[in-house]
Amino acid sequence: GAVVSQHPSWVICKSGTSVKIECRSLDFQATTMFWYRQFPKQSLMLMATSNEGSKATYEQGVEKDKFLINHASLTLSTLTVTSAHPEDSSFYICSARDHGGRADTQYFGPGTRLTVL
Amino acid sequence: QKEVEQNSGPLSVPEGAIASLNCTYSDRGSQSFFWYRQYSGKSPELIMSIYSNGDKEDGRFTAQLNKASQYVSLLIRDSQPSDSATYLCAVNRISGRGSTLGRLYFGRGTQLTVWP
Repeated sequence: GAVVSQHPSWVICKSGTSVKIECRSLDFQATTMFWYRQFPKQSLMLMATSNEGSKATYEQGVEKDKFLINHASLTLSTLTVTSAHPEDSSFYICSARDHGGRADTQYFGPGTRLTVL
Repeated sequence: QKEVEQNSGPLSVPEGAIASLNCTYSDRGSQSFFWYRQYSGKSPELIMSIYSNGDKEDGRFTAQLNKASQYVSLLIRDSQPSDSATYLCAVNRISGRGSTLGRLYFGRGTQLTVWP
């Protein structure tokens, strides 16, 4: 149980294009999902908290107009990197909180590696 | 002071030894504590959670929590080369706005290498 999937697992795009990443909880409902970014050899950085049916809460320094988050259902959240640039190249990881289990346990998706040329 | 601090690595132990990973946290009101394992190039994987003082054992892993000292540790017995990874300590605080309740605060991680 408690499986989280992400799609795509990797993506290469040209500078200026937009990329959408999907995060799904496969066997549980997730009222809250979290989006992280991780650069090589660095720790996880929380970008935003996504709540089903409401606006995401962004961490300080994260541009909400650049990183669009939509959490339209209890099993799906999407992150869209708009007008991507090479500095946005990173490992993007989502996690989901199991609404039916311990409310504070997060399960991570496998991550999406984004490379912007 | 950082929310969650882990002992500086990297940590290197021989196969079969006990690996000890330590973590301290700043918010005395923290309630939930987690250890995640992250292999290079992969996402974190939950391996242990602990909520009350004392020890919690799961196979070769033992988590220890001391809320008075604001300290949580992970012991890995009979370490195997497959245990080589970065171990992340995460803490859940009770405070926070409604929309961000449940967020975890992560340490920077301790890189463990188990050599055969």
